[in-house]
Amino acid sequence: GENVEQHPSTLSVQEGDSAVIKCTYSDSASNYFPWYKQELGKRPQLIIDIRSNVGEKKDQRIAVTLNKTAKHFSLHITETQPEDSAVYFCAASVGGATNKLIFGTGTLLAVQP
Amino acid sequence: EAGVAQSPRYKIIEKRQSVAFWCNPISGHATLYWYQQILGQGPKLLIQFQNNGVVDDSQLPKDRFSAERLKGVDSTLKIQPAKLEDSAVYLCASSLERGLLNEQFFGPGTRLTVL
Repeated sequence: GENVEQHPSTLSVQEGDSAVIKCTYSDSASNYFPWYKQELGKRPQLIIDIRSNVGEKKDQRIAVTLNKTAKHFSLHITETQPEDSAVYFCAASVGGATNKLIFGTGTLLAVQP
Repeated sequence: EAGVAQSPRYKIIEKRQSVAFWCNPISGHATLYWYQQILGQGPKLLIQFQNNGVVDDSQLPKDRFSAERLKGVDSTLKIQPAKLEDSAVYLCASSLERGLLNEQFFGPGTRLTVL
């Protein structure tokens, strides 16, 4: 069935460093790839998304890249800050344009001050 | 705008008991989702509604789980009878319309503990 793999499961960086989280997906029809941030005990919140007709998207310190051929997409956070500490989930749409999402297993990012 | 509302926020029950969760989506959002998030995992879609019709319930354990959205607005998710492995956070989400790959907005979730 459809699957999204996410790595690493935990990531610790020093404040100011960059963080990269990688995901791979299995459904070649996937065309929407959102990233959610979930702080402890809080709801997931969308931080950035990308559609399959775009290779890269940037929003201030956050960027996402997509390689459709390899079925890879990545989240890049630059100049990390302690408030970036959270669990990050990638997701991929499946089944065409139904908006059904398959989520990765999450990455716990810890930014050390 | 008001966000997705869910209640209760926490629920503790014993196995074989029944439980129900309620969700009120963002006003005007036609699509509503129920997810199960087990500790340490990503959300897993249980059921997706478009207005009051079911779009996808392929991962809903239908022998014990049921959901409805009778008037195309609020929704309830029920578990009867509950098992230990049902302990999880149940998240409700909504989006504007299926088919347009819109952002899904999540509610705060209901944390269920089955003893």
